[in-house]
Amino acid sequence: GAVVSQHPSWVICKSGTSVKIECRSLDFQATTMFWYRQFPKQSLMLMATSNEGSKATYEQGVEKDKFLINHASLTLSTLTVTSAHPEDSSFYICSAEDESMEETQYFGPGTRLLVL
Amino acid sequence: AQKITQTQPGMFVQEKEAVTLDCTYDTSDQSYGLFWYKQPSSGEMIFLIYQGSYDEQNATEGRYSLNFQKARKSANLVISASQLGDSAMYFCAMREGGGSYIPTFGRGTSLIVHP
Repeated sequence: GAVVSQHPSWVICKSGTSVKIECRSLDFQATTMFWYRQFPKQSLMLMATSNEGSKATYEQGVEKDKFLINHASLTLSTLTVTSAHPEDSSFYICSAEDESMEETQYFGPGTRLLVL
Repeated sequence: AQKITQTQPGMFVQEKEAVTLDCTYDTSDQSYGLFWYKQPSSGEMIFLIYQGSYDEQNATEGRYSLNFQKARKSANLVISASQLGDSAMYFCAMREGGGSYIPTFGRGTSLIVHP
């Protein structure tokens, strides 16, 4: 299957700092990437849909100025959590859509963010 | 209303036995796709199997098969010959054909395989 990488896998930061998470599709081009947030023992919550070369589409209730998404190329999307606070601590996971595989989403390994 | 329903929060199965994880879905679209993912404790989401709404045969991938009953709107995952490494969370998901293709995930089922 297709491979998606995500970096960093773990980040601990102080409240007020910004954190950037990268999502890369390694062996295919992804015109669409998705960003999810997952709380412990819960399902994935879609935050935004990221399309290469255009602005991200955010789900209702997700602050676009808080969670900045940039999809600069067909293999890279970034999520920046700006001025992070403890309530932003969570597991963030990205996925990339492989249009050649019935639009199957392939997921990155996720990033655990802890804001102190 | 939930678009994907997984009614089993937890399931237990003995090693080498088969287990079925339930998933029902709700859509008015004629074209849609159904997916199953496995999430071990490490957190990564592993794609297991895909079923298209127009596929007449049930999808199979190794020990995984999808029991697709379109009239009942169910897409149950069957794992044959369970292994200890199958212990994980399993999520059913759907992509609808019309509109924005936004994926929807169920709440998941925790599967524990015991020796």
